[in-house]
Amino acid sequence: EVQLVESGGGLVQPGGALRLSCAASGFTFTSSWMTWVRQAPGKGLAWVANINQDGSVQYYVDSVKGRFTISRDNAKNSLFLQMNSLRVEDTAIYYCTKGRYFHVWGQGTTVTVSS
Amino acid sequence: DVVMTQSPLSLPVTLGQPASISCRSSQSLVHSDGNTYLYWFQQRPGQSPRRLIYWVSNRDSGVPDRFSGSGSGTDFTLKISRVEAEDAGVYYCMQGTHLWTFGQGTKVEIK
Repeated sequence: EVQLVESGGGLVQPGGALRLSCAASGFTFTSSWMTWVRQAPGKGLAWVANINQDGSVQYYVDSVKGRFTISRDNAKNSLFLQMNSLRVEDTAIYYCTKGRYFHVWGQGTTVTVSS
Repeated sequence: DVVMTQSPLSLPVTLGQPASISCRSSQSLVHSDGNTYLYWFQQRPGQSPRRLIYWVSNRDSGVPDRFSGSGSGTDFTLKISRVEAEDAGVYYCMQGTHLWTFGQGTKVEIK
């Protein structure tokens, strides 16, 4: 069974940083693109970033470029999202998803940016 | 940027009756490789989203056959042939042809 388990969320002040992690199991991680999607409170879904199988290609939504970095550790079947210079508008549930087209989703981890 | 526009945004439905959600894109979703990267997701209350449909009309594994997707170019539709109680939630279309963009979501409520 495919499983994605996110962690690392929490409360952080504006301008602060957080690193999200996603532990993957039940599929060949090294063969799969991976993606982060977020959902602000009471709002819809929004693609954030994704990364190819060997980590050599990344795409970002414009609003996080230069602040967020997606990466992966294929030896540990793990996906990461380093979030710097956090803003109030980054407050959301962050979901880790399998593939370029969001085939399977984790349960999400909550990030709250507030003073 | 490609804008995805869903309608209606709220859809009250009676159990056993059909339901239909429209999704329109601001530009064609036909990729240079010939594929159309249009997807549908369901998010039940308090749950993570779940993909229902990929490439316009293909059901993901385990998705009941009362769900169907259709369309081409810029106009797409998700249909539920006979709504069941477990279908309540928010439905999103998403395009993956020009980066990735979701629609605003359509809330399906059981009357």
